[in-house]
Amino acid sequence: GESVGLHLPTLSVQEGDNSIINCAYSNSASDYFIWYKQESGKGPQFIIDIRSNMDKRQGQRVTVLLNKTVKHLSLQIAATQPGDSAVYFCAENTGGGADGLTFGKGTHLIIQP
Amino acid sequence: KAGVTQTPRYLIKTRGQQVTLSCSPISGHRSVSWYQQTPGQGLQFLFEYFSETQRNKGNFPGRFSGRQFSNSRSEMNVSTLELGDSALYLCASSWPTEPGQGTDTQYFGPGTRLTVL
Repeated sequence: GESVGLHLPTLSVQEGDNSIINCAYSNSASDYFIWYKQESGKGPQFIIDIRSNMDKRQGQRVTVLLNKTVKHLSLQIAATQPGDSAVYFCAENTGGGADGLTFGKGTHLIIQP
Repeated sequence: KAGVTQTPRYLIKTRGQQVTLSCSPISGHRSVSWYQQTPGQGLQFLFEYFSETQRNKGNFPGRFSGRQFSNSRSEMNVSTLELGDSALYLCASSWPTEPGQGTDTQYFGPGTRLTVL
């Protein structure tokens, strides 16, 4: 079955607002998590990653939060812009090298003007 | 640095044919992974090559195969195509990591859109 999933298939936000995309994972052995952004007609683009020894990591306008207690991952996008419209995937890796990432189904982020 | 490149970008084949897709990783990356993306199943791991050897394999039939060359370029082959093989095939490359020594950040190419008629 799917080991990584997302709570909402579609998320609609107003331009300028903050967006929060959630992800639940079930494999407690996972030690590395990545958020990818995929725009129409393109491959997934790396946004930010976090390892299991951390609970928060910040990038440019993005923050990833990891709650290992409830096996929950979230991506926060500050001041959402039209260019943020895309499908966002969380992915996990159980470690030991590039064993292949397990992806969630994705959340389609729609930006309302 | 140039990103991951994949050729061709689009391909149309008929059932029963075979197809070969090509991937050139980011310069210096020695690990190449392949994924299949469909609306119904999402992104699924096919296999991963490192130093010309298949290091990991997903849950796909033997009709799906791949190889890696000494320059890290990789090809994947699908034989006896079925309608259900229609998908976006994505290649991702990463900086080499020995098994058990951590995980790699994978960078994806634009994909090859395969349509099987």
